[in-house]
Amino acid sequence: DAKTTQPTSMDCAEGRAANLPCNHSTISGNEYVYWYRQIHSQGPQYIIHGLKNNETNEMASLIITEDRKSSTLILPHATLRDTAVYYCIVRSPSNTGKLIFGQGTTLQVKP
Amino acid sequence: GAGVSQSPSNKVTEKGKDVELRCDPISGHTALYWYRQSLGQGLEFLIYFQGNSAPDKSGLPSDRFSAERTGGSVSTLTIQRTQQEDSAVYLCASSPRGSPNEKLFFGSGTQLSVL
Repeated sequence: DAKTTQPTSMDCAEGRAANLPCNHSTISGNEYVYWYRQIHSQGPQYIIHGLKNNETNEMASLIITEDRKSSTLILPHATLRDTAVYYCIVRSPSNTGKLIFGQGTTLQVKP
Repeated sequence: GAGVSQSPSNKVTEKGKDVELRCDPISGHTALYWYRQSLGQGLEFLIYFQGNSAPDKSGLPSDRFSAERTGGSVSTLTIQRTQQEDSAVYLCASSPRGSPNEKLFFGSGTQLSVL
């Protein structure tokens, strides 16, 4: 699996957009970019995923650069409940579907 | 149930004892995954099941760890002769077919403490 690089931590003001970057410069053409988050003491929660195109759902938007070497997760209006560790994962179709988690970004949403 | 269910939620055991952790995946999901998360660490992949077979056991840390799945549903992770370094949260996840375009659904985990 391609390695991902994320900042260790970020802060965001409540009500503002949270933009979480991820670098995956060695990604292959058939590998998906997935985002999960883990709120303290809970199992990881799926947020969004994409291959080439930008994606949006009820939780977030995923912006993937044209060369696919980086992406940004956008939480449009962060709330205190969005405080969590956010994991960016590159997932290979040849890898039995498993997700390889890195250290993630700890997002602290502040009032 | 509606989600992935794990039991027990908490387990305290003495060093050297064997423990069994259970995972009930979402009904109909053929793919099942076990992970563990030590305090302050990221998630570490342990084993993947497709049906009752385990084509990927690459993450099992030692031969003290084993897992099985029966009837394509419930899975049990067994740790023999537990050590203090086995203390962690053990998480189970399932997905419909194990396709890379599917999301994994995680349970709440079992907190294992080895004294």
